[in-house]
Amino acid sequence: EVQLLESGGGLVQPGGSLRLSCAASGFTFSSYAMTWVRQAPGKGLEWVSVISGSGGSTFYADSVKGRFTISRDNSKNTLYLQMNSLRAEDTAIYSCAKSPGAVAGTWLAYWGQGTLVTVSS
Amino acid sequence: QSVLTQPPSVSGAPGQRVTISCTGSSSNIGAGYDVHWYQQFPETAPKLLIYGNSNRPSGVPDRFSGSKSGTSASLAITGLQAEDEADYYCQSHDSSLRAVFGGGTKLTVL
Repeated sequence: EVQLLESGGGLVQPGGSLRLSCAASGFTFSSYAMTWVRQAPGKGLEWVSVISGSGGSTFYADSVKGRFTISRDNSKNTLYLQMNSLRAEDTAIYSCAKSPGAVAGTWLAYWGQGTLVTVSS
Repeated sequence: QSVLTQPPSVSGAPGQRVTISCTGSSSNIGAGYDVHWYQQFPETAPKLLIYGNSNRPSGVPDRFSGSKSGTSASLAITGLQAEDEADYYCQSHDSSLRAVFGGGTKLTVL
């Protein structure tokens, strides 16, 4: 059974940093692209970033490019999102999601429950 | 402002058929990228409902169907049930392989 468990969320001041993790199990982690999606309170889904199965390809939304970095450790079956220079508008539930294959550009087959990031002074 | 446009809400009585539209542009849906649909209940993670425009994952009832034409796509739900009341999101990609979502549609079963 595919399981995705996010952690690392919390309250951070504007300009601060946070690193989110997504622990994966139930599948061969390195064979699948992984995505971060966020959802602000009461709002819709917003795609944040994707990384290929090997980690060699990454893509970012314009809203986070240059501030967020997606990475993965395939030996630990874990996906990361390093978030720097955080802004109030980054406040959201951040969820990781698994693609059906190793490359980006497809659907999101499984989703984690998410971790809440609140950016506020 | 979402890249893909969905109606904020739709409604229907039990047993009826409803459709949810998803309108994009020549940069995403119209460029040939597939459309996928997700269902989300309050306080829960989204669930894949339709992938590759019209394919249902295992376990999704055949009451749900998807289609795509030009720069738009549609999700149809037939034989509406109370348990279908949820938020629905469409998703596609742009030429940079960045995923784009619709703003979401709240389905109310009357």
